[in-house]
Amino acid sequence: AQTVTQSQPEMSVQEAETVTLSCTYDTSESDYYLFWYKQPPSRQMILVIRQEAYKQQNATENRFSVNFQKAAKSFSLKISDSQLGDAAMYFCAYRSSSSGDKLTFGTGTRLAVRP
Amino acid sequence: DAMVIQNPRYQVTQFGKPVTLSCSQTLNHNVMYWYQQKSSQAPKLLFHYYDKDFNNEADTPDNFQSRRPNTSFCFLDIRSPGLGDAAMYLCATSREWGGGTDTQYFGPGTRLTVL
Repeated sequence: AQTVTQSQPEMSVQEAETVTLSCTYDTSESDYYLFWYKQPPSRQMILVIRQEAYKQQNATENRFSVNFQKAAKSFSLKISDSQLGDAAMYFCAYRSSSSGDKLTFGTGTRLAVRP
Repeated sequence: DAMVIQNPRYQVTQFGKPVTLSCSQTLNHNVMYWYQQKSSQAPKLLFHYYDKDFNNEADTPDNFQSRRPNTSFCFLDIRSPGLGDAAMYLCATSREWGGGTDTQYFGPGTRLTVL
């Protein structure tokens, strides 16, 4: 069974600085997808960024980028120029290409942004 | 322009008293999901519908049932809530099952309290 591990329960960053959230996963499959979701307090979870395992190029969405290391099974999220609105719980998620749309989530990292 | 709507946002019920949580979507997506998220834990998939085809996760207790009367609506029924069922319940949708990088869209959740 696939597992997703987020080893940082909480992180803190100064506004305008850069922070990296860690995620590792365990799988025996070669074809899969990885996601970072953001869950602000009392608001719905939204997709931040996604990565196809077959793509070597790291995904980027504005201030958000990933460092995808397939051999190491690592998928970290970098947030540049952090903003107060980035404060949220961040979940790393894995989806196998053979398991439909079933997501396996990590336990999350709570990010605080200091003004 | 809310896309996945959950009602109510907060629900209080008594131990053993049946409760129904509601989810609706304006996306016309084929797949709808129910997750349970306990405090500081990852969302846990309970079941999903692909159209009218119901798919239960193996470890979802029998106490949890679901109905999807049409494409737009999906209900979560908890027949006899126990104290351990207190959690946030998240509804999500996706266009297809197994659609590559297809995104899941989440509702804001219903926080269930069991007294």
